[in-house]
Amino acid sequence: LAKTTQPISMDSYEGQEVNITCSHNNIATNDYITWYQQFPSQGPRFIIQGYKTKVTNEVASLFIPADRKSSTLSLPRVSLSDTAVYYCLVGPGYSSASKIIFGSGTRLSIRP
Amino acid sequence: GAVVSQHPSRVICKSGTSVKIECRSLDFQATTMFWYRQFPKQSLMLMATSNEGSKATYEQGVEKDKFLINHASLTLSTLTVTSAHPEDSSFYICSAIQGQGATGELFFGEGSRLTVL
Repeated sequence: LAKTTQPISMDSYEGQEVNITCSHNNIATNDYITWYQQFPSQGPRFIIQGYKTKVTNEVASLFIPADRKSSTLSLPRVSLSDTAVYYCLVGPGYSSASKIIFGSGTRLSIRP
Repeated sequence: GAVVSQHPSRVICKSGTSVKIECRSLDFQATTMFWYRQFPKQSLMLMATSNEGSKATYEQGVEKDKFLINHASLTLSTLTVTSAHPEDSSFYICSAIQGQGATGELFFGEGSRLTVL
């Protein structure tokens, strides 16, 4: 699996847009990029997944440049409840041969 | 969406005892499940891959005789921490794959917090 690098932590304020960037320089052609959110004492929760360009759902957007060596998770108008750890994972989809390895994640703190 | 459930969510045990944690896929069949361990302020660490009907594949440094994994059915995998010690206290999380490949999705359980006294 492609190794990922994210900022260890980020701070922002309620109502702001937050962008978290993940570097994955050795991403493979058949790799997808998936972001998860984790609250304390809970399992990770799927946020968004993409392969290229831009993906948007009801909670976030994912921007992927043409070279796919990085991706940016964009959270519009964050609230206190968005305080969590965000993980970027890169891999070729899921199967019995998958090895889902988590990087360090980004600890996002939202202030009033 | 699909649901993965873990039980118990919290368990406290005495040193030397064994503890079993269950991971169930409630509305889909999962041939593959993963077990993770997470210490405070750290990321999830993959312990092993559990495959239905076969032996689990353990990550380097994880003792297979201490962390027994059984995946006897397509909806249940269990992790047994044998002869638990205080250093085994951690948050254990399972996940299961629904589907395969590019269309497969990964779902996580709620986690089980083990405290060994």
